[in-house]
Amino acid sequence: KAGVTQTPRYLIKTRGQQVTLSCSPISGHRSVSWYQQTPGQGLQFLFEYFSETQRNKGNFPGRFSGRQFSNSRSEMNVSTLELGDSALYLCASSLDRGHREQYFGPGTRLTVT
Amino acid sequence: QKEVEQNSGPLSVPEGAIASLNCTYSDRGSQSFFWYRQYSGKSPELIMSIYSNGDKEDGRFTAQLNKASQYVSLLIRDSQPSDSATYLCAVNEDGNQFYFGTGTSLTVIP
Repeated sequence: KAGVTQTPRYLIKTRGQQVTLSCSPISGHRSVSWYQQTPGQGLQFLFEYFSETQRNKGNFPGRFSGRQFSNSRSEMNVSTLELGDSALYLCASSLDRGHREQYFGPGTRLTVT
Repeated sequence: QKEVEQNSGPLSVPEGAIASLNCTYSDRGSQSFFWYRQYSGKSPELIMSIYSNGDKEDGRFTAQLNKASQYVSLLIRDSQPSDSATYLCAVNEDGNQFYFGTGTSLTVIP
């Protein structure tokens, strides 16, 4: 079974731009969570989607948003990029909200200049 | 703010020794506990999950959970250089978000 896939793998943007990252969960998995990982802050939870609905949200500004499609694929968007948004963005999928084992994708490395 | 605490290390052990990684958490409602391994430049990989008090063994890995003490640990027996990585502890209260520790860096010396 294929794992979690994320596109693109690397991205360079300038301040003020916006970016959209994509995540395809493991086949059959319906819950998708997004995380930001930086050397200083570690893994920080952004949001979780299940059945096309945001179920949990971390402590990030409204510039960070996401959505989930009927096929469980998910996208996250960051508007008005700031230098501090440079990070590894990780997507993780789990079977459903009752099965809590999460499996991570390879991540998208975002660099904001 | 729910917290998950790990000793950042680095923890160094000789090849063949037992590596012991520890994690404490603040939320008594936590019900699920996980250990992830993350190699440099890679994403976290799930290696153990534990839901009940006691020990759970999988190959060279043993996870130990003590909910009364709010403590979870990971033992790696017969440590190999390929075990050198950062180990992340994660906890979850069903239906809510995961909380991750900042990780313990482990180096296994040949």
